Amino acid sequence: QKEVEQDPGPLSVPEGAIVSLNCTYSNSAFQYFMWYRQYSRKGPELLMYTYSSGNKEDGRFTAQVDKSSKYISLFIRDSQPSDSATYLCAMSPGSSNTGKLIFGQGTTLQVKP
Amino acid sequence: DSGVTQTPKHLITATGQRVTLRCSPRSEDLSVYWYQQSLDQGLQFLIHYYNGEERAKGNILERFSAQQFPDLHSELNLSSLELGDSALYFCASSVGPDQETQYFGPGTRLLVL
Repeated sequence: QKEVEQDPGPLSVPEGAIVSLNCTYSNSAFQYFMWYRQYSRKGPELLMYTYSSGNKEDGRFTAQVDKSSKYISLFIRDSQPSDSATYLCAMSPGSSNTGKLIFGQGTTLQVKP
Repeated sequence: DSGVTQTPKHLITATGQRVTLRCSPRSEDLSVYWYQQSLDQGLQFLIHYYNGEERAKGNILERFSAQQFPDLHSELNLSSLELGDSALYFCASSVGPDQETQYFGPGTRLLVL
């Protein structure tokens, strides 16, 4: 079983829809949670960074972490065709970890005009 | 643009050969990380250098090696290449030694024939 599970999709939604992307994990030591966006043939781009449990909002993006359920989510409001990309969740235990990130497989999102 | 640069963008080589991938981190960053991305394995951590010293190793094959130079650029050397080494290789950088906020370069696409 992988440490981080992410539904690969693909997920197709109409423009303007609310998108929900999710990851589950098994390692209770994870403290830092990130979402990266990766366009085709490009490097991952950091979207959201959260420490421990709770919500974080940045524009149309909201990240949620529920450590009790070992579940994290990324919500995209008013989705746009430019949001079409692969979204990767990533996690790490924190200061004892030496910076290694554990990634989910990525969810491919397509937003149709 | 993350500020992390990688060369070359594409590399085509034959089995048994050796290649060198190069990464220049953001100007303020002392840490460099190498990741491999393949369709079946996703994004996998290979190795981490901080200020010239190896900090952590992940699933890096013995045929692979890396180093970080005094000017903080890093090179990943892949030798005795096999077909299965074909993948995207990403470099990421961060400010500190245990920094979870990592910024990724555009990647090097390696094809081994």
